Amino acid sequence: GENVEQHPSTLSVQEGDSAVIKCTYSDSASNYFPWYKQELGKRPQLIIDIRSNVGEKKDQRIAVTLNKTAKHFSLHITETQPEDSAVYFCAASRGTYKYIFGTGTRLKVLA
Amino acid sequence: EADIYQTPRYLVIGTGKKITLECSQTMGHDKMYWYQQDPGMELHLIHYSYGVNSTEKGDLSSESTVSRIRTEHFPLTLESARPSHTSQYLCASSVGQGGGYTFGSGTRLTVV
Repeated sequence: GENVEQHPSTLSVQEGDSAVIKCTYSDSASNYFPWYKQELGKRPQLIIDIRSNVGEKKDQRIAVTLNKTAKHFSLHITETQPEDSAVYFCAASRGTYKYIFGTGTRLKVLA
Repeated sequence: EADIYQTPRYLVIGTGKKITLECSQTMGHDKMYWYQQDPGMELHLIHYSYGVNSTEKGDLSSESTVSRIRTEHFPLTLESARPSHTSQYLCASSVGQGGGYTFGSGTRLTVV
């Protein structure tokens, strides 16, 4: 069946460094790719998304890139700060209204 | 404020009890979803609804049931709670294709 692989499962970076999280999807019909951030004890929140007709999207310190041919998409966080520490989930659309989530990446930013 | 609300936030209940987890949204979204998630771990879709009187089972087998009698309300019911049901249950809603989800704050259920 369709799935989304997400790597790495844990990531530690020094404050100020960049962090990259990668996802691979299997459903060639997927056309929408959101990223969620979930802080400890809180709900997942949408932080950025990208549609299949766009290769890159940026919002301040975060950016997402999409390679439809390779079925890869990645989240890039620059100038990381301690408040970026959280679990990040990628997702790919499945059908019209559902998403398949990746298994999550626990990011720890070391001060 | 338009949002999605879940109650209770925490629930500890004995084995065999019937429970209903409440989810309501004030955003006018047609699509609503229930996910099961152990804290910080993968999200598993257990039920979804595309509108009133429309409900479907998700990917993860679940002994729960849902109903959608009103657009804004999507409760989840466990007829007989078991320790294996201990988890966090997240409700979400969506405006439609490519709109992403808005998640509720979740109900953390413990069955003893």
